[in-house]
Amino acid sequence: DAGVIQSPRHEVTEMGQEVTLRCKPISGHDYLFWYRQTMMRGLELLIYFNNNVPIDDSGMPEDRFSAKMPNASFSTLKIQPSEPRDSAVYFCASSWGASGNTIYFGEGSWLTVV
Amino acid sequence: ELKVEQNPLFLSMQEGKNYTIYCNYSTTSDRLYWYRQDPGKSLESLFVLLSNGAVKQEGRLMASLDTKARLSTLHITAAVHDLSATYFCAVDQGAQKLVFGQGTRLTINP
Repeated sequence: DAGVIQSPRHEVTEMGQEVTLRCKPISGHDYLFWYRQTMMRGLELLIYFNNNVPIDDSGMPEDRFSAKMPNASFSTLKIQPSEPRDSAVYFCASSWGASGNTIYFGEGSWLTVV
Repeated sequence: ELKVEQNPLFLSMQEGKNYTIYCNYSTTSDRLYWYRQDPGKSLESLFVLLSNGAVKQEGRLMASLDTKARLSTLHITAAVHDLSATYFCAVDQGAQKLVFGQGTRLTINP
């Protein structure tokens, strides 16, 4: 299996621009998670989906962030407009079934907003 | 609110020595995950502990879970340089909603 695939791997953008991060989960997985990692705040869960439906978006920092999962093999995390404090590594992860199964992480998207 | 605390946050040790990383958490859970992260890389799953008293071992790493004490440990036996990385524990709040610890940066010196 190819694992969780994220794109782009690196992005540098100017403040105010729209950023779209993409994720392809492992085939057959029904849970998809978006995490953010920063030095100050560590790893934070932003939002997660089950069977393409958003279940909990309480970690989304503000209205500038949105996430979609139009089908079982694709999800996006969008930031509009972006700000320098959004600079972080954004990880997508996926898993199958109920609690207790391994959650597999993608390689991450390194975002820098200048 | 669930809080997960690891200690130590930084650990420098010599090859061949044994050491333990501790993960304490504040509310009831019987599902705990350990991950490894190399610099600039993704998180690699090491262990999933699913019940009180669970113990899992892989090579020089052994993890255990005490749900009554709300404590998990990651024990490193006869450390080798290749184990240098940052190790995270994460507690499942339910429905695989993980809360991560701060991470323990482990450096193993020859």
